[in-house]
Amino acid sequence: EIVLTQSPGTLSLSPGERATLSCRASQRVADHYIAWYQQKPGQPPRLLTHGESSRAAGVPDRFSASGSVTDFTLTISRLEPEDFAMYYCQHYGHAPIFTFGPGTKVEIK
Amino acid sequence: QVTLRESGPALVKPTETLTLTCTFSGFSLAPAGMCVSWIRQSPGKALEWLARIDWDDDKYYTPSLETRLTVSKDTSKDQVVLIMANMDPVDTATYYCARTPRGGRPGNYYYYMDVWGKGTTVTVSS
Repeated sequence: EIVLTQSPGTLSLSPGERATLSCRASQRVADHYIAWYQQKPGQPPRLLTHGESSRAAGVPDRFSASGSVTDFTLTISRLEPEDFAMYYCQHYGHAPIFTFGPGTKVEIK
Repeated sequence: QVTLRESGPALVKPTETLTLTCTFSGFSLAPAGMCVSWIRQSPGKALEWLARIDWDDDKYYTPSLETRLTVSKDTSKDQVVLIMANMDPVDTATYYCARTPRGGRPGNYYYYMDVWGKGTTVTVSS
């Protein structure tokens, strides 16, 4: 079973800065099997990206996903006030099961 | 507009069986490639995928809970039901259902959760 590790646990940044969130898999995974979600307090997760870095409907282009093999990245090019939230990566496996990472909190510095 | 709504008891006792219903609209579970998943989140914790049911009635469960979970669907009612047996206080969580479409190409399919319900909070306590 694949284990996902996200770093850092908390990212303290200011609006307008660039955010780089890391997701590392315990073994090699196909890059199109990684998705990223955003979650704000009291709300359900929101899909950001899936497949080969496809953005979900309505997701601004400041969000982009990349990576391969075991290392994957979600980049927010310029943080907007509404981007401060929790972010989870997720892997879809052939078992088939879904695995989520522990999350990265992006907070206002 | 695609929506999903979870419903069920807010409080269950230890050892009881939990039954949750996901009622959805704006899509059908009939077409090939369409699925619905259940996911939960304990207070302050990360997300945990529980189960998935597919358009063709195939069912998949997280290995650690497989013996306690049952998922079913009623396509005519646009509903998916999750049953979790032998509830324990550690099962206290918000339970979500999510539309889970298939992406990719034949031989290289993947699934993702693109629309989520608001969730229903379940507390397990005597």
